[in-house]
Parts: sequence; structure tokens; C-alpha cells
Amino acid sequence: GNSVTQMEGPVTLSEEAFLTINCTYTATGYPSLFWYVQYPGEGLQLLLKATKADDKGSNKGFEATYRKETTSFHLEKGSVQVSDSAVYFCALNPNDYKLSFGAGTTVTVRA
Amino acid sequence: GAGVSQSPSNKVTEKGKDVELRCDPISGHTALYWYRQRLGQGLEFLIYFQGNSAPDKSGLPSDRFSAERTGESVSTLTIQRTQQEDSAVYLCASSPYFTGGSEAFFGQGTRLTVV
Repeated sequence: GNSVTQMEGPVTLSEEAFLTINCTYTATGYPSLFWYVQYPGEGLQLLLKATKADDKGSNKGFEATYRKETTSFHLEKGSVQVSDSAVYFCALNPNDYKLSFGAGTTVTVRA
Repeated sequence: GAGVSQSPSNKVTEKGKDVELRCDPISGHTALYWYRQRLGQGLEFLIYFQGNSAPDKSGLPSDRFSAERTGESVSTLTIQRTQQEDSAVYLCASSPYFTGGSEAFFGQGTRLTVV
């Protein structure tokens, strides 16, 4: 079946540090891949997405590249801020209807 | 409305009682999803609607759970004879289409506590 495995947290880092959250997936065919973010006290919102191999999604300084050869969609940001503290979820949609989510990674950025 | 609206935002109920959770999707969105998020865990898929049809109910945890949707409008998730393990945040999402690349827009969730 379809599944997403993402790096376990929590992750704590200092402002301006480099952030990577690993995400790998198992799926048949060519799924679309997403990163969703949940800021404290807020609902889930889409951070970025990629719909085909080698696509790079980017938003708010975050990037992730759809790597079919390694079945990965790692999230990166070069210089994090306190406001990036949130829970990050990797997700896939195998081009039908069901979004499958990873367990989430809690990121805390200290000033 | 501007976004997906869920009500109530918080619900505390006694074990054995029935609860009804409501979701108002973004107007015009065909697809509607229910997820459950237990404390410290990821999102668990429950059910999705395409219009008012629910092609896949396999994620519903037991026959105490049911859901319905009126046209491409409001959906209700009903939990009968609630148990403590039902305590979680129940999230609703909608999207314009049900195909893969379409973004899902989430509501704020209903936090259910069964005491």
C-alpha cells in the first residue's frame, strides 16, 4: 500500500541554522507529494507540493525536490527563524483521492 | 465562507454518549475528507466524499462511526456510544477535485475529549 515515512522528532535548532526533514515514500505509479505545516494553535496548511519527478516545490524559503529514484521528498530550509517552529507533515496522493500522511515532525527554533 | 469551518471547536462528552461533528467545506469543493489526529501522532484517514457519495469508508475505525454529506455542502461525522479511545482532534478538509495534485484545505479541527 501507500505510505510515508518521515524523520522522527522533535527537532530543536537555533535561529539561522539549516533544517532538513527527511521524507521517503512507498507508492505505486507517480504520486503527488506534499509538505503540510501546522503552526501552534492553527490548522494544517499546505507548505509546498510537487506533482512529478524532479519537480521542486518551494515556499517561504523551504524547498523539497521530488526524487523518484530514491523515493524521497526531503524538506530543507537554509536559515530557519523562530516563526518556523511548527509541526511538519509529509504527505502523498497516489492520484486518486486519499492523502497519506507521515507521523509529523515537531520543529522548535530557539532565538 | 473563506475557509473550511468545523464545529464545535471543542467537545467534552461522557463515555457512552453520541456526538456529532460538523464540517462546512469551501464552497464548490467536490472532495471532502475526514481525518483523526491522536495526541502526538500523525493523521489517520477516516473517510472521503466525492460530492455526497462516500466511495471509501474503510478508514472508519468501527461501526460506531458514520458520516454523511449533503450534496457538495456540509458533512457530519457521528460517533455513537463514545469511548475514551475516541478522544482526538477530528480534522476535515476539502479540495476542488479529487485528483492527486489538488491541494486539500483543512479546518481547525474539533478536539473531542471523552471522559
